Amino acid sequence: GAGVSQSPSNKVTEKGKDVELRCDPISGHTALYWYRQSLGQGLEFLIYFQGNSAPDKSGLPSDRFSAERTGGSVSTLTIQRTQQEDSAVYLCASSSSGGATDTQYFGPGTRLTVL
Amino acid sequence: GQNIDQPTEMTATEGAIVQINCTYQTSGFNGLFWYQQHAGEAPTFLSYNVLDGLEEKGRFSSFLSRSKGYSYLLLKELQMKDSASYLCASYGSGNTGKLIFGQGTTLQVKP
Repeated sequence: GAGVSQSPSNKVTEKGKDVELRCDPISGHTALYWYRQSLGQGLEFLIYFQGNSAPDKSGLPSDRFSAERTGGSVSTLTIQRTQQEDSAVYLCASSSSGGATDTQYFGPGTRLTVL
Repeated sequence: GQNIDQPTEMTATEGAIVQINCTYQTSGFNGLFWYQQHAGEAPTFLSYNVLDGLEEKGRFSSFLSRSKGYSYLLLKELQMKDSASYLCASYGSGNTGKLIFGQGTTLQVKP
């Protein structure tokens, strides 16, 4: 597609349930990034993929969070045993090569609400 | 380490000019980005500066001073649709792909 797409756009879940968030990057982009934006806060880096590898996963807040990328394209962010503090907008971005001057292009995000 | 600071809120009048400042401290500087984010929407890329000076792009301009660790976004001929958050960001040290964002400046344009 023309841009980064994410699904679902909204997700409401109960505390303790697992959720999966999906990201489709811009075609041909080798680098993919996940960020989290809590209400009224800036973007918080979670993880960076170069191809199918994750050179930097330093932003994942706990071992309940994991992510994978397959075929150098689609990525899934999984949150196990969700907690109320996980409620946020999860944004995915991609860039052409992952270089330190690359522009990152963002998807519309998934708004996660944990009840 | 990395630290990016920008004002939390600004208000300006339609048709006026507004300057949004950003100061940064990064251990390895690879350029500075500005993004616009309307409420409930994704950030959209506005500009990228890696060299000192002013980059003009229509009504929006961005300035960088590497020696001062300072950038600003200049919006001219403000329109109501410019009401949004403006995010300043820079890559962290090393080639990790980690884009460090400031908290964002919420700009409200009034008639």
